[in-house]
Amino acid sequence: TQLLEQSPQFLSIQEGENLTVYCNSSSVFSSLQWYRQEPGEGPVLLVTVVTGGEVKKLKRLTFQFGDARKDSSLHITAAQPGDTGLYLCAGAGAGSYQLTFGKGTKLSVIP
Amino acid sequence: ETGVTQTPRHLVMGMTNKKSLKCEQHLGHNAMYWYKQSAKKPLELMFVYSLEERVENNSVPSRFSPECPNSSHLFLHLHTLQPEDSALYLCASSQEPSGGRDEQFFGPGTRLTVL
Repeated sequence: TQLLEQSPQFLSIQEGENLTVYCNSSSVFSSLQWYRQEPGEGPVLLVTVVTGGEVKKLKRLTFQFGDARKDSSLHITAAQPGDTGLYLCAGAGAGSYQLTFGKGTKLSVIP
Repeated sequence: ETGVTQTPRHLVMGMTNKKSLKCEQHLGHNAMYWYKQSAKKPLELMFVYSLEERVENNSVPSRFSPECPNSSHLFLHLHTLQPEDSALYLCASSQEPSGGRDEQFFGPGTRLTVL
């Protein structure tokens, strides 16, 4: 059974601070996705990483896929209140319809 | 607005009731999914449909019965549910049923409470 552990579970920071969220597994994934979910809404895809060691940037968000494709991190620079939400990572196994989701990191950015 | 709509948004039902959740996607996708999101647990995939055929069923109890009459509509029929079935039920669609290779677009979910 593939499991994804996300840390921290909760994070409350001041506007302008930097933060990093981690997603770890003992399993190898063919690709890994990060989603953000706001209250009352479904998850929205932020990025997909597929190559070990890959780094992708989306404005103030930087995503990294581990060399062994077992872990990933999301770094937010100068967090804004609009970044508040539940951040989910999800890994895809080769040849499978299924995404394995982590439990998520709930981020609150205080103005 | 992701192009995936779900109704109702909130549902309260007793354990003896029968109800249905509806999902519609306006994206021309071929694959549709039902997920369950419970507090303190990861998102769980329940069913996957590809062009109206069920391609995956993750050991979901028979009190949940999916129906996909066409590639744009997906239903989840509920009967004799248990209080532990209370959760947010999310529908998603993607171009193909490919796990992480295609982006999945999620609806806003139906918040279900079973009394």
